[in-house]
Amino acid sequence: DAKTTQPNSMESNEEEPVHLPCNHSTISGTDYIHWYRQLPSQGPEYVIHGLTSNVNNRMASLAIAEDRKSSTLILHRATLRDAAVYYCILRAQPQGAQKLVFGQGTRLTINP
Amino acid sequence: NAGVMQNPRHLVRRRGQEARLRCSPMKGHSHVYWYRQLPEEGLKFMVYLQKENIIDESGMPKERFSAEFPKEGPSILRIQQVVRGDSAAYFCASSLNLQGDPATNEKLFFGSGTQLSVL
Repeated sequence: DAKTTQPNSMESNEEEPVHLPCNHSTISGTDYIHWYRQLPSQGPEYVIHGLTSNVNNRMASLAIAEDRKSSTLILHRATLRDAAVYYCILRAQPQGAQKLVFGQGTRLTINP
Repeated sequence: NAGVMQNPRHLVRRRGQEARLRCSPMKGHSHVYWYRQLPEEGLKFMVYLQKENIIDESGMPKERFSAEFPKEGPSILRIQQVVRGDSAAYFCASSLNLQGDPATNEKLFFGSGTQLSVL
């Protein structure tokens, strides 16, 4: 799996938008960009994924740069429950089910 | 549809004992993954299994650790002769593995983990 680079930590305020960046300059044409998050004392949970176009779901939005060398996870209105470690991961597709390779992620702190 | 179920939630063992961690995947999922997370560290892949087959065990220590996913029943991660360094959170995940389906792209669903403490 290609490598991703994320800031170690970020801080934001409740009810404000949060933009979590991820650099993946060695991404290949078939790599999907996945985001997972891990809340304290829980297993990771899927947030969103995309290939080339921006994606929206009920949890977040994913903005992918035109050259695909970077992406940004957007939480539109952060709540205290969004405090977690956020992981940006590249998955090759289609190659069948494969393991996710987690990096260190970004620890997001939300201030009340 | 129940999520991925792991048990026990907490497991305490003394050095030299065996630890058995169980994982029941989501209904209809035939692929299971085990990860280990040491305190204040990231998740490290251990093993990926299909029913009755080990697909990728590149992250599994060569000694004392084994995993299985039988045709019937949960997946089991077994650690023999545990040592203090085995103390960690062990997470299991499952997936559908619809190859080539971008809609799912093999999303992994994780359990709440088993916290293993070795005294």
